[in-house]
Amino acid sequence: SAVISQKPSRDICQRGTSLTIQCQVDSQVTMMFWYRQQPGQSLTLIATANQGSEATYESGFVIDKFPISRPNLTFSTLTVSNMSPEDSSIYLCSITGTGRYNEQFFGPGTRLTVL
Amino acid sequence: GENVEQHPSTLSVQEGDSAVIKCTYSDSASNYFPWYKQELGKRPQLIIDIRSNVGEKKDQRIAVTLNKTAKHFSLHITETQPEDSAVYFCALTSGTYKYIFGTGTRLKVLA
Repeated sequence: SAVISQKPSRDICQRGTSLTIQCQVDSQVTMMFWYRQQPGQSLTLIATANQGSEATYESGFVIDKFPISRPNLTFSTLTVSNMSPEDSSIYLCSITGTGRYNEQFFGPGTRLTVL
Repeated sequence: GENVEQHPSTLSVQEGDSAVIKCTYSDSASNYFPWYKQELGKRPQLIIDIRSNVGEKKDQRIAVTLNKTAKHFSLHITETQPEDSAVYFCALTSGTYKYIFGTGTRLKVLA
């Protein structure tokens, strides 16, 4: 199965700054996603990263706050903009496997703390 | 939109006992039901899944059952071991890429 890596693994940031998180896969994948997992909570889909076009955002998430890039089939970035302490979360990218039912596999996550 | 209720939120069992986690849903179009295990500080890992045309699936000590009529599916772990301690998430999808996750169950296996 594909190997998914994320950078950075963790970061501590100041309020009002932005952080870009990278997700790299060792093979080409069609679908890549970004999730947020707030402390002690479940996983919430932020957006689908579409190769060659704008990301598709879920309700409650907007491009100005979470701009996403997907320049090719192995790489994506998520930026968390103008951060506040409420943005402190784990951010995970995921990919779909090759099965019929779109099994999803997660990257190791980026633990973000905003002071 | 689709909603998934997961119970219990926390579960403590003695080592060797069984653990059962249940999820209920409302959308009858849901057709794929994966379960993820997330150990502390780690990524969610797919541990077992079931399709809508199957009632039960087993993989060694874990099994998943699906009752489409009642719209619920359950994770069963037998002969629990300390390394089973983790947070477990159910999820579902109706054939698209979009997963809906349950709220999670923190399982603690007491040695």
